[in-house]
Amino acid sequence: GENVEQHPSTLSVQEGDSAVIKCTYSDSASNYFPWYKQELGKRPQLIIDIRSNVGEKKDQRIAVTLNKTAKHFSLHITETQPEDSAVYFCAASETNYGKLTFGQGTILTVHP
Amino acid sequence: DVKVTQSSRYLVKRTGEKVFLECVQDMDHENMFWYRQDPGLGLRLIYFSYDVKMKEKGDIPEGYSVSREKKERFSLILESASTNQTSMYLCASSSHTASSYNSPLHFGNGTRLTVT
Repeated sequence: GENVEQHPSTLSVQEGDSAVIKCTYSDSASNYFPWYKQELGKRPQLIIDIRSNVGEKKDQRIAVTLNKTAKHFSLHITETQPEDSAVYFCAASETNYGKLTFGQGTILTVHP
Repeated sequence: DVKVTQSSRYLVKRTGEKVFLECVQDMDHENMFWYRQDPGLGLRLIYFSYDVKMKEKGDIPEGYSVSREKKERFSLILESASTNQTSMYLCASSSHTASSYNSPLHFGNGTRLTVT
C-alpha cells in the first residue's frame, strides 16, 4: 500500500517569512495529492490539492509543487501570518474512491 | 456546504465495553471513512465504504468493525474497547467521481474517545 512521509514534524517561523513542508510517497500509481489544515480543536479542512497531470498549483499565498519522477510534493506558504498556525497534513491517493493515505503532520507556528 | 456530523464530541468508556461511534453526512456522498488521529502518527485509515452495505479494511482495522446500512450513515464499532484505542476518531465523506481523480474529503468534528 501507499506510504507517505512528511517533514518537518514541527516548523517555527516569524510572521512574514515563508514556510515549506515536504512529503514523499511510495506508490507511483498515486495521482491525487491534497493538503489539509487543522486548527486547534477543529476538523481538518482542504486548503489546496494537485493532480498528477500538473506540476504546480497556486492559490494566493499557498502553492503546491509535485515531482512525479522523484515522488515528492511540497507545500509553500509565503508571507506567513499568525492565523496560518495549525497542523498541516499532506496525503496521497491512487484510487477514485477517495481513500487517502496521510503524512504524519507538521505543526506550524507563526510568531508575530 | 457539506455537513458531516459525529454523534459525540467526547466519550469515556471502560475496558471491554462495546462502543459505537456514529457518523452522518447530508450530501449524498457515496464514500465514507473512519480515521483515527494520534500525535506524530497523522491520520490512519481504519475502514472505508464506497456504497451501502460495502466495507473495505483500511490500514489499521484490527479491533474495529463498521456498519453501513444507509447511504448517509457510517458506524464504527469497537467490539471490546481497550486502552490502546484511546484516540481521536474522525469520520469523513466524499463523492465518487467518474474520472480517475478524487474529490476532496469532508471531515466531521471528531470524537475523542478515552478508554479507562
